[in-house]
Amino acid sequence: AQSVTQLDSQVPVFEEAPVELRCNYSSSVSVYLFWYVQYPNQGLQLLLKYLSGSTLVKGINGFEAEFNKSQTSFHLRKPSVHISDTAEYFCAVSPRSNDYKLSFGAGTTVTVRA
Amino acid sequence: DAGVIQSPRHEVTEMGQEVTLRCKPISGHNSLFWYRQTMMRGLELLIYFNNNVPIDDSGMPEDRFSAKMPNASFSTLKIQPSEPRDSAVYFCASSFWGNPDNEQFFGPGTRLTVL
Repeated sequence: AQSVTQLDSQVPVFEEAPVELRCNYSSSVSVYLFWYVQYPNQGLQLLLKYLSGSTLVKGINGFEAEFNKSQTSFHLRKPSVHISDTAEYFCAVSPRSNDYKLSFGAGTTVTVRA
Repeated sequence: DAGVIQSPRHEVTEMGQEVTLRCKPISGHNSLFWYRQTMMRGLELLIYFNNNVPIDDSGMPEDRFSAKMPNASFSTLKIQPSEPRDSAVYFCASSFWGNPDNEQFFGPGTRLTVL
């Protein structure tokens, strides 16, 4: 079984400031890692994913995440946020197998202020 | 592609009534997932299908919930009878079985309110 812990439930940040959202996971098997974003009143949209290879993954809208196997972490970062980045962000994992179940964290609400 | 389509987008009903939520996955996808999102419990996987066959329904909360996928382009989630605690946003997602990155594409959700 897999579990995901997002360490911050709410992150307020000023426009053009950097932001980091923390995600830790536990799993008895190797996993794929994902970050999804949910804008108000919308469904989830994939930001980026880690499958293998380089531990630094770049996604859409200027976001990137770094996989750290020893710390079982997959933190999301953006060097300069915009008002439009206000959303809820979900970290998720799925096992590297034929089981396609995604396990989601509780989510982190990012509020960007001018 | 139109993406995953869900209907209705909003549903308000009274306790005890039957509710049916509908989902059309992305054409060519052969896995379909139903999720429920609430403030208290976050995102929960209710059930998922591969090639129209239910694979794991361990997340279905109780017998009042049922899901079907009669063909590759349509699925329903039914609640009968509905209760106020079923109020939530229900998402449908689809993916392509055999895609190693398991990316799921989500629909816009159905916001259900049970009075």
